[in-house]
Amino acid sequence: GENVEQHPSTLSVQEGDSAVIKCTYSDSASNYFPWYKQELGKGPQLIIDIRSNVGEKKDQRIAVTLNKTAKHFSLHITETQPEDSAVYFCAASSPRRGGNKLTFGTGTQLKVEL
Amino acid sequence: EPEVTQTPSHQVTQMGQEVILRCVPISNHLYFYWYRQILGQKVEFLVSFYNNEISEKSEIFDDQFSVERPDGSNFTLKIRSTKLEDSAMYFCASSEGTVVHEQFFGPGTRLTVL
Repeated sequence: GENVEQHPSTLSVQEGDSAVIKCTYSDSASNYFPWYKQELGKGPQLIIDIRSNVGEKKDQRIAVTLNKTAKHFSLHITETQPEDSAVYFCAASSPRRGGNKLTFGTGTQLKVEL
Repeated sequence: EPEVTQTPSHQVTQMGQEVILRCVPISNHLYFYWYRQILGQKVEFLVSFYNNEISEKSEIFDDQFSVERPDGSNFTLKIRSTKLEDSAMYFCASSEGTVVHEQFFGPGTRLTVL
């Protein structure tokens, strides 16, 4: 089955700096890669996703890149703000008839310091 | 904005007791999921559900677990005889389809088994 690795496990940046989180996946059939932000005591919130037919997607300060050949994808957050502090999870899924099982990475605790 | 809701937010139970966790998915969504997250760990897939039947389940989802969509709005997860290791956050998620992949998560139910 799919295996998703995520690095780093913790990341501390100064406000205004950029943050990059990287993930690798194992299943070449995976074609959908979402990123979730989880704040303390809350459920994962989808912040951006990318499908395997594109290499990059951007939404304001957040961007995701995908390298299908190398089977890795990354989250880039620019101009970080204190409210970006949270745990970020990458995930991968492959097409299935009855629903798309998400396989999650182990998470990155991002801390944005003033 | 439509959202997934879950009740209760926190459930405390004795080992061996049955629990039912409830979810109301987003109304036009057709695919439903349960995931769990043991404290400090990654989110793990339990089961997907479509057209009133289980589409896929993980090895965690053994005979003690069952899911049901008893009416047009609720989606439930039952654990027949809880074990200490069932203590975790349980998240319900739903998606519109498999082509439109986005899964939206509820706020979770914290299950504590004593």
